[in-house]
Amino acid sequence: QSALTQPASVSGSPGQSITISCTGTSSDVGGYNYVSWYQQHPGKAPKLMIYDVSNRPSGVSNRFSGSKSGNTASLTISGLQAEDEADYYCSSYTSSSTLVFGTGTKVTVL
Amino acid sequence: QITLKESGPTLVKPTQTLTLTCTFSGFSLSTSGVGVGWIRQPPGKALEWLALIYWDDDKRYSPSLKSRLTITKDTSKNQVVLTMTNMDPVDTATYYCAHSRVGWAVAGSWAFDIWGQGTMVTVSS
Repeated sequence: QSALTQPASVSGSPGQSITISCTGTSSDVGGYNYVSWYQQHPGKAPKLMIYDVSNRPSGVSNRFSGSKSGNTASLTISGLQAEDEADYYCSSYTSSSTLVFGTGTKVTVL
Repeated sequence: QITLKESGPTLVKPTQTLTLTCTFSGFSLSTSGVGVGWIRQPPGKALEWLALIYWDDDKRYSPSLKSRLTITKDTSKNQVVLTMTNMDPVDTATYYCAHSRVGWAVAGSWAFDIWGQGTMVTVSS
């Protein structure tokens, strides 16, 4: 299975909104609503931000939202803040009953 | 409160077998709908899913590494063990274990909601 495709980098100014895409196939992203998103700061373990395409775990800011259309899932960060600067990864369940992560996106706050 | 912690060697030689242990608390791996997975991250690179073990002892492996991986659980000790054979320098990475719910129509299934701190493993002679 191939890693899900994400843009290498996305940037935005404080207060702006940015969107990170995560493209897979009908055998993973497109076939299941088990897409999750993780935030990772340097030297830290990943943190779950979104599960089941669009649900936020308790304690995650409502500035983070998720969606899906066809084989592409998206993470939107609104009201961008300096603390949002981090790497972001998507993940999906697959038709092989396995999991796959995305290639990762570095978010820079200008 | 759920916590997980990885342990194992920091340095292994090429061709050796790596054995990592995930010791957890705050949940039982005998409870329906619970799973523990392993994920790794080479320095400066992306996350890579390795394996997942379910409460009922069902096991799933990364297709590209399946021949080298074995995941087991010891419910009485609250531990999950991952072994990886024939280690190579390209396997140098931080290895994480993480908690997940698993199952159809279970909210948050196959999302890793709690992670360990990770353990760095270097493969070098």
